[in-house]
Parts: sequence; structure tokens; C-alpha cells
Amino acid sequence: QVQLVQSGAEVKKPGASVKVSCKASGYTFTGYNLHWVRQAPGQGLEWMGRINPNSGATDYAQKFQGRVTMTRDTSISTVYMELSSLTADDTAVYYCARGHDFRLDYWGQGTLVTVSS
Amino acid sequence: QSALTQPASVSGSPGQSITISCTGASSDFGGYNYVSWYQQHPGKAPKLMISAVSNRPSGVSNRFSGSKSGNTASLTISGLQAEDEAYYYCSSYTGSTSLYVFGTGTKVTVL
Repeated sequence: QVQLVQSGAEVKKPGASVKVSCKASGYTFTGYNLHWVRQAPGQGLEWMGRINPNSGATDYAQKFQGRVTMTRDTSISTVYMELSSLTADDTAVYYCARGHDFRLDYWGQGTLVTVSS
Repeated sequence: QSALTQPASVSGSPGQSITISCTGASSDFGGYNYVSWYQQHPGKAPKLMISAVSNRPSGVSNRFSGSKSGNTASLTISGLQAEDEAYYYCSSYTGSTSLYVFGTGTKVTVL
């Protein structure tokens, strides 16, 4: 069965960077894009970008361009999302999700990133 | 790209039908019919309920249905059940720089 397992919660100081991982299993890793979506406390969902695990090509939301980097390691079926220059506004749960025909059909469990001095 | 607009809350009694709207500019939908709906219970990851405006993934109850007219998409839940109480988010592929946009979210309450 398809599973996306994310890394654990992080606490970071303002100005730091965070790198969240998402390990895929149960399907052909290189066959589907992986997306990152975040949700600030009590707020809605926000699309951040996606990576093609086969080619490594990325598309980022305009809001995060220059601050987000998505990468992959095909040898361990894992994608990474790194967000730099963190502020308190980046405190959120970060989800990875598999993209299939313009829908996000499987989601990871989420990773809470807390930015606090 | 601003979020798609949804009502903050919708409520209904068990057995009733409710409809959640999702409105945006034509650029938000990009001329495509790639609107999805996600259900999210508190503290849980979102779950895909509807894709491509009206397609229901395997395992999703047929009480959930979707439609779209112009720049407004809708999710209808018929035969409302207690387990349907959750937040619902629409999403659309835009085809522009920010490829996907989500709605503001709707809290569904079963009275």
C-alpha cells in the first residue's frame, strides 16, 4: 500500500533553515510527482511546490521561490523540502503528498515545524 | 494567487444534504476541470474526496459528489452523517506560476 512517512517535529530559531524528509513506499517512486503543502496553526492549506522524482525538476509557488529547495534521493525513495530564512510565520505543519493526474491522492502524516527564539 | 473562497462554515442535521461552494477568478481555475476536494479531521492529514470536479476515488462514499459551473465549484454531501463533521478544502490546478491553489476551507458541523 502507498505510504509517505515524514521526518519528526523540528524546532528552529528565526533565520535558520529546516529540512523535512518524506520517504515513499508501496509504488514506483519515480512515477509520480511529490508535492509539499503546509498548514499554519488554525489556518488553511497552502501549496508550496512539487518535485519530479525521476528528473529532479521542480516547480515552486511564487511565494516561496528563492527560499525553498526540493530535492530527492532515488536510492532511498525519499524527497526533501528545505526552507530557509525562517520566521515565526513559517510555523506550520508541513505535508508531503503524491500527485497523480492533478490530484493529491496520498498524504504523509505531517511534520510540525516550530520557529521560535 | 489568492486562495479560492469558501464559506467559513456549513451545518446540517443528520440525513440532510449540504453544499459547499468554492469560488475563484477564471485564472484560478485556469480553464481546466482539475478541481479536487479534501476532507480533514482535526489533527489529521487531508484525505482526497473528489478529483477532476466530480470523480470519486475508490473507497469514498457515494454520498459525496462534486460539480462546477463557471468559476464556482461545489461539493455536496448527501445523507449527512456524524463522521462527515470535518474541514473541507477545494483545490484547483491553475496552470500558472503557482500551479495549485487551495480554498479557504469550510468547517462542516453535523447538528
